[in-house]
Amino acid sequence: GAGVSQSPSNKVTEKGKDVELRCDPISGHTALYWYRQSLGQGLEFLIYFQGNSAPDKSGLPSDRFSAERTGGSVSTLTIQRTQQEDSAVYLCASSRFETSGRSNTQYFGPGTRLTVL
Amino acid sequence: AQSVSQHNHHVILSEAASLELGCNYSYGGTVNLFWYVQYPGQHLQLLLKYFSGDPLVKGIKGFEAEFIKSKFSFNLRKPSVQWSDTAEYFCAVNARGGYQKVTFGTGTKLQVIP
Repeated sequence: GAGVSQSPSNKVTEKGKDVELRCDPISGHTALYWYRQSLGQGLEFLIYFQGNSAPDKSGLPSDRFSAERTGGSVSTLTIQRTQQEDSAVYLCASSRFETSGRSNTQYFGPGTRLTVL
Repeated sequence: AQSVSQHNHHVILSEAASLELGCNYSYGGTVNLFWYVQYPGQHLQLLLKYFSGDPLVKGIKGFEAEFIKSKFSFNLRKPSVQWSDTAEYFCAVNARGGYQKVTFGTGTKLQVIP
């Protein structure tokens, strides 16, 4: 596709349920990021995948959060036993990795707005 | 590890006023620097970036940013803002070399009053 796509665009769930959010990066982009954007909280880094390297999970707020990236392309962010404080917009971004290290422009998807009741 | 500070959280300007948004990073080595913008209801998108060469970088819509290595700064400027510049602006940095992730600042909300 032309850009990063995310699904669903909106998700309303009840506290305690599990949710899965999907990200389709731009074809050929080896780097994939997940962020969380809450009102007044800015952009919070969650996890970073780069090629076949072990993901950087340093931003995941708790063990209820996990993510995987299958075949180096599509990624799924899973939140188990959702809590009200998980309500936010979850953004995915992808970028090419340039061996020169010169530039890693990220292309963002539209996000998934998660509401936990 | 790298970090980014944006000191202005919320800026309100009248149209035609000049804009400068501060961005400071901490990292001792070579970096790539970015400004992203998020207009209301839209995706985050790249405004401009610096990776080498002229430290004064020009981006879209009349924005520019200057990389001052000695100050670890990459401030965003625009001589005359418009109402359509109302948005949230994010500064970002990533260290060169290897698989270095990009780190974002907390963002600055700009409100331009007609």
